[in-house]
Amino acid sequence: GDSVTQMEGPVTLSEEAFLTINCTYTATGYPSLFWYVQYPGEGLQLLLKATKADDKGSNKGFEATYRKETTSFHLEKGSVQVSDSAVYFCALNTNAGKSTFGDGTTLTVKP
Amino acid sequence: GAGVSQSPRYKVAKRGQDVALRCDPISGHVSLFWYQQALGQGPEFLTYFQNEAQLDKSGLPSDRFFAERPEGSVSTLKIQRTQQEDSAVYLCASSLNEGAPQGYTFGSGTRLTVV
Repeated sequence: GDSVTQMEGPVTLSEEAFLTINCTYTATGYPSLFWYVQYPGEGLQLLLKATKADDKGSNKGFEATYRKETTSFHLEKGSVQVSDSAVYFCALNTNAGKSTFGDGTTLTVKP
Repeated sequence: GAGVSQSPRYKVAKRGQDVALRCDPISGHVSLFWYQQALGQGPEFLTYFQNEAQLDKSGLPSDRFFAERPEGSVSTLKIQRTQQEDSAVYLCASSLNEGAPQGYTFGSGTRLTVV
């Protein structure tokens, strides 16, 4: 079946550091790929998405590129801020509607 | 509404009680989903509605779980004879399009604690 594997956390960085959170997937067919973010005390929000190979999703300074050859969708940001502290979830969608999520990676950014 | 609204926000149930969790999706959103999120894990799919039709209920863990969306808008997830392993956050999500190819808008969830 479909699965998503995320880099284990927690991840702790200093402000302005470079961020990478790894995500790899296994899927039948050609999935769409997503990153969701959950800020403390809030619900999950869609951060960015890519629907086909080589697409790059981007939002709020975050980027991720759909790499079919390595079945990966790593999340990156060049300079993190304290306000980026949250839990990040990688997800895929192959069937009509149903998505498969990773277990989440907790990011803490210190001033 | 402006977002996906879930109620109650918190629910404590005694083992064996029945509970009903409500979801108000964004107005006009065709697709509605329920997910279960255990502590420290990602959301796990429960069921999917397209308008009032329940197209996929493959994730419902047992016949104690039942979901409905009778008029294609508000949805209710019902859990009968709750057990401790049902303790989790229940998330509702909606999407304008069929199948949610562009991703979901999530509600804030209902945290269910079974004691």
